[in-house]
Amino acid sequence: DGGITQSPKYLFRKEGQNVTLSCEQNLNHDAMYWYRQDPGQGLRLIYYSQIVNDFQKGDIAEGYSVSREKKESFPLTVTSAQKNPTAFYLCASSRRADVYGYTFGSGTRLTVV
Amino acid sequence: EDKVVQSPLSLVVHEGDTVTLNCSYEVTNFRSLLWYKQEKKAPTFLFMLTSSGIEKKSGRLSSILDKKELFSILNITATQTGDSAIYLCAVKITGNQFYFGTGTSLTVIP
Repeated sequence: DGGITQSPKYLFRKEGQNVTLSCEQNLNHDAMYWYRQDPGQGLRLIYYSQIVNDFQKGDIAEGYSVSREKKESFPLTVTSAQKNPTAFYLCASSRRADVYGYTFGSGTRLTVV
Repeated sequence: EDKVVQSPLSLVVHEGDTVTLNCSYEVTNFRSLLWYKQEKKAPTFLFMLTSSGIEKKSGRLSSILDKKELFSILNITATQTGDSAIYLCAVKITGNQFYFGTGTSLTVIP
């Protein structure tokens, strides 16, 4: 079955540490996205990539970094510069001209301890 | 600044009730409006709306768009406990970019 897989589902991080969230898709989708979801704030776009080796900042990119070395993979690194990283992170993908929106992963809940 | 606003933020109803969820938007380059249902983890697609006044319907759920007044509503009739979820509204602008609303958290009590 095709789909989009995020791992891990739960992640705990100490303050000052970088951590990388994995996102893999086997849907042959061109575009991939990272969103952050906080209570009462909906989904906010962190980074997106329309093609391999290219990515763009979203609305809240500060303190995050990404790479897109393969079409199937779009890992997100939460760096120590991100001041409030505790949140639910959703990865999504779509065909470049997909009018029906995204396919979402199941998310990673990151907690800073 | 582009924005999507959903109301109410949360709602508690009894099984069998009918609910109406609202989504208003102010964006440039509107392309379409989508509704998603998010239960535990990943949002799942419900409807896509591009034209005003044309109702989309799926079982007990229906949705309509008003491009003049810049809003959409999602109706759920005869609610069931399985309808409990966060309902997200998203507006597509250029390319494949979407602006998401805050979501409406619906709880259906038996």
